[in-house]
Amino acid sequence: SQKIEQNSEALNIQEGKTATLTCNYTNYSPAYLQWYRQDPGRGPVFLLLIRENEKEKRKERLKVTFDTTLKQSLFHITASQPADSATYLCAPTGVGSGGSNYKLTFGKGTLLTVNP
Amino acid sequence: DVKVTQSSRYLVKRTGEKVFLECVQDMDHENMFWYRQDPGLGLRLIYFSYDVKMKEKGDIPEGYSVSREKKERFSLILESASTNQTSMYLCASSLRGETAASYEQYFGPGTRLTVT
Repeated sequence: SQKIEQNSEALNIQEGKTATLTCNYTNYSPAYLQWYRQDPGRGPVFLLLIRENEKEKRKERLKVTFDTTLKQSLFHITASQPADSATYLCAPTGVGSGGSNYKLTFGKGTLLTVNP
Repeated sequence: DVKVTQSSRYLVKRTGEKVFLECVQDMDHENMFWYRQDPGLGLRLIYFSYDVKMKEKGDIPEGYSVSREKKERFSLILESASTNQTSMYLCASSLRGETAASYEQYFGPGTRLTVT
């Protein structure tokens, strides 16, 4: 069966350091992989999407890699700030057919806490 | 600015009541989704719709039904609420097309439903 694992439920780092979050998937062949941010009591917010033929994508302090051989995506936040504290969710994407192609299955998320 | 709204932020209902959760999007999106989110279980897809009057079951449709009479509105119905349906309910929408942007989902703020 299809499975998504995010490396840890919680990650604590010091302000200014780089946070690295991992997303591993099995029994998927996604065309894309997405990352979302979720703050407590709120809906997830889209951050980045990376295509299967892209090795790396950047947006400001965020960087995502996608290794389809390892079936893994890494999500980096450089120069982390306390405001980056949130839960981050990954979602392999584009694995169905027809309308089902737009469904997302999310990992359970990693709660990142950046300490001042 | 894109917007997904949900009818209530907090809702308390009694066991056996019929419950309607409403979701409206103003982005002219074809796809709409209902999820529930529970601690330790993550986001799980209940139902989704890729067109007006079209619906497909997600991973956990039991105990729920949906209605999509208009493109902008997607309703989740709990025919007879039970305590195990106490949860955070999140609605989302996305485009339907051939580009990567079609896979980005926009979420509402969520409805925290308590069934007593």
